[in-house]
Amino acid sequence: KAGVTQTPRYLIKTRGQQVTLSCSPISGHRSVSWYQQTPGQGLQFLFEYFSETQRNKGNFPGRFSGRQFSNSRSEMNVSTLELGDSALYLCASSTDRGQETQYFGPGTRLLVL
Amino acid sequence: AQSVTQLGSHVSVSEGALVLLRCNYSSSVPPYLFWYVQYPNQGLQLLLKYTTGATLVKGINGFEAEFKKSETSFHLTKPSAHMSDAAEYFCAVSSGGSNYKLTFGKGTLLTVNP
Repeated sequence: KAGVTQTPRYLIKTRGQQVTLSCSPISGHRSVSWYQQTPGQGLQFLFEYFSETQRNKGNFPGRFSGRQFSNSRSEMNVSTLELGDSALYLCASSTDRGQETQYFGPGTRLLVL
Repeated sequence: AQSVTQLGSHVSVSEGALVLLRCNYSSSVPPYLFWYVQYPNQGLQLLLKYTTGATLVKGINGFEAEFKKSETSFHLTKPSAHMSDAAEYFCAVSSGGSNYKLTFGKGTLLTVNP
């Protein structure tokens, strides 16, 4: 089976712009979660989607949003980018049979200038 | 609320030596515990997980971890380090139920010296 894929892998934006990141889960996985990884804050949970519904949300401002499509693919959007949004954004998918393992993609590295 | 503390942000061992990476957790309900490894410029790869049952869990690449409820610990060990083990290791906890998120520790960077 193909793993979790994320596009693009690298992205450079300027302050004030917006960005959309994409995640394709492992085939058959219906749960998709997003995490932000920075040197200062480490790995932080952004949100989780299942069957196109957001089930859980982390402590991030409303500039961070996401959605999930009927084929389980997910996108996250960050509006009005700030320098502090520079990070590695990781997507993870799982089967959602109870607390099954989350499998991570390679991430999208976002640099905000 | 759940939390994870990884003791030691950087651990250095010699090739062939024992690897011990420490993880303590806090959870109000029985936890699900995970160890992930991250190589440079890559995502996270699952090493092993504990959900229920046997408290000694074996994972990939010769790693294992023991769940000790009384000590709220889930330390990761490997008897003999290999150069390819050099990476960053993350311990994570999930409380199950409707809490569909992982809470991670800050990570431990493992260096293996020849």
